[in-house]
Amino acid sequence: SQQGEEDPQALSIQEGENATMNCSYKTSINNLQWYRQNSGRGLVHLILIRSNEREKHSGRLRVTLDTSKKSSSLLITASRAADTASYFCATTDSGGGNKLTFGTGTQLKVEL
Amino acid sequence: NAGVTQTPKFQVLKTGQSMTLQCAQDMNHEYMSWYRQDPGMGLRLIHYSVGAGITDQGEVPNGYNVSRSTTEDFPLRLLSAAPSQTSVYFCASSYSRGGGNTIYFGEGSWLTVV
Repeated sequence: SQQGEEDPQALSIQEGENATMNCSYKTSINNLQWYRQNSGRGLVHLILIRSNEREKHSGRLRVTLDTSKKSSSLLITASRAADTASYFCATTDSGGGNKLTFGTGTQLKVEL
Repeated sequence: NAGVTQTPKFQVLKTGQSMTLQCAQDMNHEYMSWYRQDPGMGLRLIHYSVGAGITDQGEVPNGYNVSRSTTEDFPLRLLSAAPSQTSVYFCASSYSRGGGNTIYFGEGSWLTVV
């Protein structure tokens, strides 16, 4: 079964606006990762946040993690048309392995 | 450095046929895995391997076999294809120790079973 639920399922914004996507999960995790998938392509790793971290930045990306609420958010600032893609969160469990459990994804469309 | 390479990119099979999806990585990663992605869903783990000679089942292993004879290669075999196996398949790899490692994905293999 899917570990994560992502919200919203679809998001449409104008270029230059910020985009926020949320992910909730069910069990204890070791880390949470966000991936981007362009239509018809593979997944590209964006950012990893460990269970003992609360916030992480990478360029225009900001990820937060609240382990008490079992949730994470991905913020993309100053969005561009090239950010149009599906975004997935994925978790690895607290056993320390590399098996990823994915959420259902958010489809982001950034319009000019 | 090619990363994770999957072949073929597209394949159409008839029900009952067998085939192998190839996956190779050149990053000397111990951990390799196969996922399938169905419309409107995230990826689900089929099988994984933590090193040569070691494989284990994931969430949806039925109908699939794997082997890991070398560090570089991790083929996925469909012994008797069924329409329910129509999906996009992704191979992934990472370093194994300690967990929390960046996982690299191939470009995907689109499989249709008719």
